[in-house]
Amino acid sequence: AQSVAQPEDQVNVAEGNPLTVKCTYSVSGNPYLFWYVQYPNRGLQFLLKYITGDNLVKGSYGFEAEFNKSQTSFHLKKPSALVSDSALYFCAVRVREYGNKLVFGAGTILRVKS
Amino acid sequence: DGGITQSPKYLFRKEGQNVTLSCEQNLNHDAMYWYRQDPGQGLRLIYYSQIVNDFQKGDIAEGYSVSREKKESFPLTVTSAQKNPTAFYLCASSIVTVGNTEAFFGQGTRLTVV
Repeated sequence: AQSVAQPEDQVNVAEGNPLTVKCTYSVSGNPYLFWYVQYPNRGLQFLLKYITGDNLVKGSYGFEAEFNKSQTSFHLKKPSALVSDSALYFCAVRVREYGNKLVFGAGTILRVKS
Repeated sequence: DGGITQSPKYLFRKEGQNVTLSCEQNLNHDAMYWYRQDPGQGLRLIYYSQIVNDFQKGDIAEGYSVSREKKESFPLTVTSAQKNPTAFYLCASSIVTVGNTEAFFGQGTRLTVV
């Protein structure tokens, strides 16, 4: 089955430090990968996507993600974390079934402490 | 402003009652989706629609029904057959059912059975 995994339920980082939220995928063919962020009781906001081309993708709010085909990973990164980055982060992959639905990981809670 | 509007934000349902969640979009998107979010489980697809007057079951369609009479609207009915309906429900849309396009999400409806 095509899937994504987010191995960490929670990531804690100090404000100003770099952050990484991990994601690995298992899909057939070339993957279309996405990162979304969710604040409490809100919908998901799109951050960035990897379709093809450069392995380093830049997105909203200073976030970037690195696609690594050999390790089947798509980790989300930010050079300097802000307290306001604290939220729930989802990695997702588009699959051809079900109208090209998004398959989501379980999510990772990011806590940035001042 | 263009976007997806879900209503109501909070909904309470009595045992044995059907309730309908509204989802409207003015993005001129063809594809619309309903996801259910439970803590620690990510998002799971309930139903999707790629075109007006057509919709398909997702991974967890039992106990739910939808309609797509207009391009802009994709309401979800949670029927009394849904054994555990308490969850956060998210509606999404995308331009077409093409893998490299991101989906846009509404702000969600939190349904609680009382």
